[in-house]
Amino acid sequence: EAQVTQNPRYLITVTGKKLTVTCSQNMNHEYMSWYRQDPGLGLRQIYYSMNVEVTDKGDVPEGYKVSRKEKRNFPLILESPSPNQTSLYFCASSGQGTDTQYFGPGTRLTVL
Amino acid sequence: QKEVEQDPGPLSVPEGAIVSLNCTYSNSAFQYFMWYRQYSRKGPELLMYTYSSGNKEDGRFTAQVDKSSKYISLFIRDSQPSDSATYLCAMKKTSYDKVIFGPGTSLSVIP
Repeated sequence: EAQVTQNPRYLITVTGKKLTVTCSQNMNHEYMSWYRQDPGLGLRQIYYSMNVEVTDKGDVPEGYKVSRKEKRNFPLILESPSPNQTSLYFCASSGQGTDTQYFGPGTRLTVL
Repeated sequence: QKEVEQDPGPLSVPEGAIVSLNCTYSNSAFQYFMWYRQYSRKGPELLMYTYSSGNKEDGRFTAQVDKSSKYISLFIRDSQPSDSATYLCAMKKTSYDKVIFGPGTSLSVIP
Protein backbone atom coordinates (compact mmCIF):
# COMPACT_ATOMS: atom_id res chain seq x y z
CA GLU A 1 0.00 0.00 0.00
CA ALA A 2 1.32 3.43 -1.00
CA GLN A 3 1.70 5.50 2.10
CA VAL A 4 3.57 8.06 4.15
CA THR A 5 4.25 7.01 7.72
CA GLN A 6 5.23 9.16 10.68
CA ASN A 7 6.41 8.25 14.13
CA PRO A 8 5.57 8.89 16.83
CA ARG A 9 1.92 9.86 16.38
CA TYR A 10 1.76 11.54 19.77
CA LEU A 11 4.59 13.00 21.83
CA ILE A 12 4.72 14.98 25.05
CA THR A 13 8.12 16.32 25.99
CA VAL A 14 9.79 19.07 27.98
CA THR A 15 11.56 22.21 26.90
CA GLY A 16 15.08 21.62 25.65
CA LYS A 17 14.94 17.84 25.23
CA LYS A 18 16.04 16.97 21.70
CA LEU A 19 13.60 14.92 19.67
CA THR A 20 13.23 13.46 16.19
CA VAL A 21 10.05 12.78 14.27
CA THR A 22 10.54 10.23 11.54
CA CYS A 23 8.89 10.25 8.13
CA SER A 24 9.06 7.53 5.53
CA GLN A 25 7.39 7.06 2.13
CA ASN A 26 7.25 3.96 -0.05
CA MET A 27 6.32 5.61 -3.35
CA ASN A 28 9.84 6.50 -4.53
CA HIS A 29 8.88 10.18 -4.43
CA GLU A 30 11.54 12.83 -4.94
CA TYR A 31 9.84 15.70 -3.15
CA MET A 32 9.22 15.60 0.60
CA SER A 33 8.09 18.30 2.95
CA TRP A 34 7.28 19.03 6.58
CA TYR A 35 4.35 21.20 7.66
CA ARG A 36 2.97 22.34 10.94
CA GLN A 37 -0.75 22.96 11.37
CA ASP A 38 -2.04 25.45 13.92
CA PRO A 39 -5.63 26.66 14.45
CA GLY A 40 -6.45 29.65 12.28
CA LEU A 41 -3.07 29.52 10.53
CA GLY A 42 -3.50 26.45 8.37
CA LEU A 43 -0.60 24.39 7.11
CA ARG A 44 2.75 26.16 7.05
CA GLN A 45 5.80 24.65 5.43
CA ILE A 46 8.81 24.12 7.68
CA TYR A 47 11.36 22.51 5.34
CA TYR A 48 11.28 20.70 2.05
CA SER A 49 13.54 18.45 0.04
CA MET A 50 13.66 18.15 -3.75
CA ASN A 51 15.82 15.02 -3.63
CA VAL A 52 18.48 13.19 -1.62
CA GLU A 53 20.89 15.63 0.03
CA VAL A 54 18.87 18.62 -1.26
CA THR A 55 16.91 20.47 1.40
CA ASP A 56 15.71 24.04 1.79
CA LYS A 57 13.84 26.22 4.25
CA GLY A 58 10.13 26.75 4.06
CA ASP A 59 8.19 29.55 5.72
CA VAL A 60 8.79 28.68 9.38
CA PRO A 61 12.16 26.88 9.68
CA GLU A 62 13.40 28.41 12.94
CA GLY A 63 14.08 25.79 15.61
CA TYR A 64 13.96 22.85 13.20
CA LYS A 65 16.46 20.77 11.26
CA VAL A 66 16.03 18.13 8.60
CA SER A 67 18.15 15.69 6.67
CA ARG A 68 17.61 13.62 3.52
CA LYS A 69 20.21 10.88 3.34
CA GLU A 70 17.90 8.37 1.69
CA LYS A 71 15.10 8.97 -0.77
CA ARG A 72 12.42 7.37 1.39
CA ASN A 73 13.22 9.07 4.74
CA PHE A 74 12.96 12.70 5.81
CA PRO A 75 13.27 13.11 9.59
CA LEU A 76 12.41 16.35 11.40
CA ILE A 77 14.71 17.25 14.27
CA LEU A 78 13.99 19.65 17.10
CA GLU A 79 17.32 20.21 18.82
CA SER A 80 15.91 22.26 21.72
CA PRO A 81 12.11 22.22 21.63
CA SER A 82 10.18 25.14 23.07
CA PRO A 83 6.48 25.47 23.98
CA ASN A 84 5.78 27.51 20.80
CA GLN A 85 6.61 24.37 18.82
CA THR A 86 3.57 22.64 20.27
CA SER A 87 1.63 21.80 17.14
CA LEU A 88 0.36 19.14 14.75
CA TYR A 89 3.06 18.13 12.29
CA PHE A 90 2.58 16.55 8.87
CA CYS A 91 5.06 15.03 6.50
CA ALA A 92 4.15 14.94 2.81
CA SER A 93 5.65 13.56 -0.38
CA SER A 94 5.00 13.94 -4.09
CA GLY A 95 6.43 12.48 -7.27
CA GLN A 96 6.59 15.27 -9.83
CA GLY A 97 6.89 18.74 -8.42
CA THR A 98 4.29 19.53 -5.81
CA ASP A 99 1.19 18.67 -7.81
CA THR A 100 -0.23 15.92 -5.65
CA GLN A 101 1.14 15.69 -2.16
CA TYR A 102 0.47 12.61 -0.07
CA PHE A 103 0.31 13.38 3.61
CA GLY A 104 1.20 11.25 6.58
CA PRO A 105 -1.23 10.76 9.49
CA GLY A 106 0.30 13.56 11.59
CA THR A 107 2.30 13.84 14.81
CA ARG A 108 0.79 15.76 17.68
CA LEU A 109 3.62 17.31 19.68
CA THR A 110 3.25 18.99 23.06
CA VAL A 111 6.24 20.77 24.56
CA LEU A 112 5.84 21.59 28.26
CA GLN B 1 -3.35 40.54 4.63
CA LYS B 2 -2.86 36.79 4.41
CA GLU B 3 -2.01 35.37 1.01
CA VAL B 4 -4.93 32.96 1.10
CA GLU B 5 -8.09 33.56 3.11
CA GLN B 6 -10.88 31.15 3.90
CA ASP B 7 -13.89 31.36 6.17
CA PRO B 8 -13.13 28.92 9.00
CA GLY B 9 -16.76 28.08 9.65
CA PRO B 10 -17.95 25.85 11.13
CA LEU B 11 -20.48 25.29 8.40
CA SER B 12 -23.38 23.01 9.20
CA VAL B 13 -25.79 21.80 6.49
CA PRO B 14 -28.50 19.13 6.22
CA GLU B 15 -27.83 16.00 4.22
CA GLY B 16 -28.56 16.50 0.52
CA ALA B 17 -27.80 20.23 0.53
CA ILE B 18 -25.49 21.94 -1.95
CA VAL B 19 -22.39 23.21 -0.20
CA SER B 20 -20.28 26.13 -1.39
CA LEU B 21 -16.78 26.58 0.03
CA ASN B 22 -14.70 29.56 -0.96
CA CYS B 23 -11.23 31.05 -0.84
CA THR B 24 -9.82 34.40 -1.83
CA TYR B 25 -6.19 35.13 -2.54
CA SER B 26 -4.01 38.14 -3.09
CA ASN B 27 -1.19 36.95 -5.37
CA SER B 28 -2.19 37.10 -9.04
CA ALA B 29 0.76 34.85 -9.93
CA PHE B 30 -1.02 31.76 -8.59
CA GLN B 31 -1.82 29.41 -11.47
CA TYR B 32 -2.48 26.04 -9.83
CA PHE B 33 -5.37 25.57 -7.45
CA MET B 34 -6.20 22.63 -5.24
CA TRP B 35 -8.73 21.52 -2.67
CA TYR B 36 -7.71 19.12 0.05
CA ARG B 37 -10.07 17.31 2.42
CA GLN B 38 -8.96 16.54 5.95
CA TYR B 39 -10.88 14.21 8.21
CA SER B 40 -10.46 14.50 11.96
CA ARG B 41 -7.13 13.05 13.15
CA LYS B 42 -6.00 12.38 9.57
CA GLY B 43 -3.67 14.02 7.09
CA PRO B 44 -5.09 16.09 4.21
CA GLU B 45 -5.85 14.30 0.95
CA LEU B 46 -6.08 15.87 -2.48
CA LEU B 47 -9.66 16.23 -3.67
CA MET B 48 -9.53 18.50 -6.72
CA TYR B 49 -6.77 20.03 -8.81
CA THR B 50 -7.21 22.73 -11.46
CA TYR B 51 -4.93 24.83 -13.59
CA SER B 52 -5.74 28.47 -14.38
CA SER B 53 -9.37 29.59 -14.69
CA GLY B 54 -12.49 27.59 -15.33
CA ASN B 55 -14.46 24.72 -13.87
CA LYS B 56 -13.62 21.11 -13.17
CA GLU B 57 -16.13 18.48 -12.19
CA ASP B 58 -15.56 15.13 -10.49
CA GLY B 59 -18.67 13.30 -9.38
CA ARG B 60 -20.47 15.40 -6.78
CA PHE B 61 -17.61 17.91 -6.59
CA THR B 62 -17.04 20.95 -8.80
CA ALA B 63 -14.05 23.26 -8.49
CA GLN B 64 -14.32 26.74 -9.93
CA VAL B 65 -11.55 29.28 -10.42
CA ASP B 66 -12.08 32.96 -11.18
CA LYS B 67 -8.63 34.48 -11.55
CA SER B 68 -9.97 37.93 -12.40
CA SER B 69 -11.60 38.08 -8.96
CA LYS B 70 -8.88 36.04 -7.23
CA TYR B 71 -11.59 33.71 -5.97
CA ILE B 72 -11.92 29.94 -5.99
CA SER B 73 -14.84 27.76 -4.97
CA LEU B 74 -15.63 24.14 -4.27
CA PHE B 75 -19.22 22.99 -4.69
CA ILE B 76 -20.49 19.75 -3.21
CA ARG B 77 -23.81 18.48 -4.55
CA ASP B 78 -26.07 16.10 -2.63
CA SER B 79 -23.88 16.41 0.45
CA GLN B 80 -23.46 13.32 2.62
CA PRO B 81 -22.52 12.87 6.29
CA SER B 82 -19.27 11.34 5.02
CA ASP B 83 -18.41 14.76 3.56
CA SER B 84 -18.04 16.12 7.09
CA ALA B 85 -14.42 17.25 7.25
CA THR B 86 -12.21 20.31 7.03
CA TYR B 87 -11.64 21.57 3.48
CA LEU B 88 -8.38 23.31 2.71
CA CYS B 89 -7.85 25.37 -0.40
CA ALA B 90 -4.30 25.51 -1.71
CA MET B 91 -2.48 27.20 -4.55
CA LYS B 92 0.90 27.74 -6.12
CA LYS B 93 2.60 29.69 -8.91
CA THR B 94 4.44 26.98 -10.82
CA SER B 95 4.42 23.20 -10.90
CA TYR B 96 7.49 23.00 -8.64
CA ASP B 97 6.64 25.92 -6.40
CA LYS B 98 5.72 25.56 -2.75
CA VAL B 99 2.05 25.20 -1.99
CA ILE B 100 0.27 27.87 0.06
CA PHE B 101 -2.65 26.56 2.09
CA GLY B 102 -5.70 28.36 3.38
CA PRO B 103 -6.62 27.84 7.04
CA GLY B 104 -9.50 25.51 6.18
CA THR B 105 -13.29 25.47 6.53
CA SER B 106 -14.90 22.96 8.87
CA LEU B 107 -18.01 21.34 7.37
CA SER B 108 -20.61 19.21 9.12
CA VAL B 109 -23.33 17.46 7.14
CA ILE B 110 -26.20 16.53 9.43
CA PRO B 111 -28.21 13.36 8.60
